[in-house]
Amino acid sequence: KAGVTQTPRYLIKTRGQQVTLSCSPISGHRSVSWYQQTPGQGLQFLFEYFSETQRNKGNFPGRFSGRQFSNSRSEMNVSTLELGDSALYLCASGEGQGATYEQYFGPGTRLTVT
Amino acid sequence: AQRVTQPEKLLSVFKGAPVELKCNYSYSGSPELFWYVQYSRQRLQLLLRHISRESIKGFTADLNKGETSFHLKKPFAQEEDSAMYYCALSGSARQLTFGSGTQLTVLP
Repeated sequence: KAGVTQTPRYLIKTRGQQVTLSCSPISGHRSVSWYQQTPGQGLQFLFEYFSETQRNKGNFPGRFSGRQFSNSRSEMNVSTLELGDSALYLCASGEGQGATYEQYFGPGTRLTVT
Repeated sequence: AQRVTQPEKLLSVFKGAPVELKCNYSYSGSPELFWYVQYSRQRLQLLLRHISRESIKGFTADLNKGETSFHLKKPFAQEEDSAMYYCALSGSARQLTFGSGTQLTVLP
C-alpha cells in the first residue's frame, strides 16, 4: 500500500494569511489525525477525523480547523497566520480498534510564516 | 490530563553497549504506550507498543504501572539505532500524547 502523503511539502506564508494543507491517508484507513511539531512544544495533537466527523480536538485556537472528505482525504486550515504557527504539520492515518489501533505518519508539511 | 516525560534530550552510547531510553507517564486510566522512532530524513514510525510485548530491532519496553514508566531498552546498541525516539501515550481517545523525544547517538 502507498503510505500517507501530504501536500505541499514546504510552504512559506506571510502573517495574517491563511493556509490549507492536504493529507491523503493509506487506502482503507478512515481515521486521520493531525499533529503540530515545533522545537519548543514538540509534537502536539491538533484533531482527529473519522468518517468525515471530527472526533477529538486538541488544545489549539479556533484558527486551526480541518475537515475530512468522503474518500477519507483530509485538509487542515489555519487562518490569520501568526509567526508561532511556523512548524512541521504531520498527518497520520489509522486502522484497527482499541488496543490494536495504529497510526501511520506522513512526511509532513513544513510551514514557515514570515 | 495525560503527560509523557522523557528526561534525556540527548543520549550517547558506544556500539555494543546497552542502552536505555527513559519514559515516564501520567494518566489516570489504563494507558496504551508506544515508542516511535524517526531516523534521519525519514518519517515518524512506530517501533513498538506495550500491548504486543514483542521485540523490534532488538528493542524491548516493559510497562511498569507502579512506577508509571515505559523505558526502552536494547542490550547491544548498533550504529543504525541512532535516531530520535519518542515515547507516546494514548488514552481513551485516539490521540497520541508525545514526550519531547530523546536523540540517541551510537558511537563507533
